[in-house]
Amino acid sequence: AQTVTQSQPEMSVQEAETVTLSCTYDTSESDYYLFWYKQPPSRQMILVIRQEAYKQQNATENRFSVNFQKAAKSFSLKISDSQLGDAAMYFCAYRSIQGAQKLVFGQGTRLTINP
Amino acid sequence: ETGVTQTPRHLVMGMTNKKSLKCEQHLGHNAMYWYKQSAKKPLELMFVYNFKEQTENNSVPSRFSPECPNSSHLFLHLHTLQPEDSALYLCASSQRQGGEKLFFGSGTQLSVL
Repeated sequence: AQTVTQSQPEMSVQEAETVTLSCTYDTSESDYYLFWYKQPPSRQMILVIRQEAYKQQNATENRFSVNFQKAAKSFSLKISDSQLGDAAMYFCAYRSIQGAQKLVFGQGTRLTINP
Repeated sequence: ETGVTQTPRHLVMGMTNKKSLKCEQHLGHNAMYWYKQSAKKPLELMFVYNFKEQTENNSVPSRFSPECPNSSHLFLHLHTLQPEDSALYLCASSQRQGGEKLFFGSGTQLSVL
């Protein structure tokens, strides 16, 4: 079974600075999807960014980008120019493209933005 | 607003009570999901419905009973719960089961006394 590990329970960053959240996963599959979800205090999980494993190019969405290292099974999220609204729980998730295609989530990282 | 609405937002219930959680999506999606989010644990998938048919039951105790009368509505009926069932229950939907993008509601924070 696939597992997702986020080794940083909490992170903090100064407003306007850059922060990187770590995620590693374990799988024997060669093709899959990886996601970062954000859960602000409103509790609503929001998709931040998505990466297809067969694509070598790292996904980017405005201030959010990933560093996808397939061989190392690492999928980190970089947030540039951090804003107060970025404060939230961030969850890394894995999804197979075969079988039940269930999302498997990590434990989450709580990100605090210091003004 | 992501188009997935959950009610109630908060619920406190005793172990002998019966209550229901409601989820409604206005996105025209065909798959709906229940997740459980406990403190310091990863989100756990509980149930999946695809075109109103249950396609996944992730070994959930029978005191949780889902119902999907149509593709837009999903219920979670609760009875004789235990204190360890206290958690945030999140509903989600996607265009189809296994769809790349899930849309989540804001959850129901459940406390079992």
